[in-house]
Amino acid sequence: EAQLVESGGGLVQPGGSLRLSCAASGFTFSSFWMTWVRPAPGKGLEWVANINQDGTEKYYVDSVKGRFTISRDNAKNSLYLQMNSLRAEDTAVYYCARAPSGWYFDLWGRGTLVTVSS
Amino acid sequence: DIQMTQSPSTLSASVGDRVTITCRASQSISRWLAWYQQKPGKAPKLLIYKASSLESGVPSRFSGSGSGTEFTLTISSLQPDDFASYYCQQYNSYPWTFGQGTKVEIK
Repeated sequence: EAQLVESGGGLVQPGGSLRLSCAASGFTFSSFWMTWVRPAPGKGLEWVANINQDGTEKYYVDSVKGRFTISRDNAKNSLYLQMNSLRAEDTAVYYCARAPSGWYFDLWGRGTLVTVSS
Repeated sequence: DIQMTQSPSTLSASVGDRVTITCRASQSISRWLAWYQQKPGKAPKLLIYKASSLESGVPSRFSGSGSGTEFTLTISSLQPDDFASYYCQQYNSYPWTFGQGTKVEIK
C-alpha cells in the first residue's frame, strides 16, 4: 500500500530552523513529483513547494521563498523541507503529498505539526 | 496569483440531498482544477482532477464540471460519510492555490 509518513515537526522559536522529512513507501518514489502543503488560517490550504522527480525543478509560494528549501533523496525514498527564519505565521500542520506531473495531490501523509512560538 | 473563491462557505444538508459547491477562479484556468475532501484531523483526499475526472476509488455520487473560471462539485445523494470540508485547487499556473473551503454540515 502506498504511504507517506512525515516527521520532524515540533516547537521552535521565531527565527529558528527545522527540517521536516517525509518517508515514502509502496510506490516508485523516484517517478513522481512531490509537494508540501499546509493549512492557512482563513485561506483553507496553502501549497508550499514542489519538486520534480530528480530534484532539478523546484517551485515555492512567495511567502517561503528564500527561507524554505525542498529537496529529496530518491535512494532513501525521502522528501525534505528545510525551514529557516521561521515566523509565527509558519505555524501549521505540514503535509507531504504525491503530485502526478506536479499538478494535483493524489496521496497524502498524515502531517507533522510545526509550532513557531517563544 | 490566481484567487480561488468557493461558495457557500458553509452548507447545511440532509442525507440524500443533492449538494452543489461552486468554485470561481480570478482568471481562466482551462480545466486545471482539482477537488479535495478533508475531515477533521485527517489529511485531504483527492476526489476530482482535471475538473471532471473521478479519482480511482471515489464513489460515483461525486462529480465535477466546469471550465474557464467557474466550476462545480456535485454530490448526487449526500451520505453520512460525506459530511466534511471540500476544497478546490487550481494548477494552471504557479503558485498553485486553493479555495477557502466549504464545510458541509448535517441539517
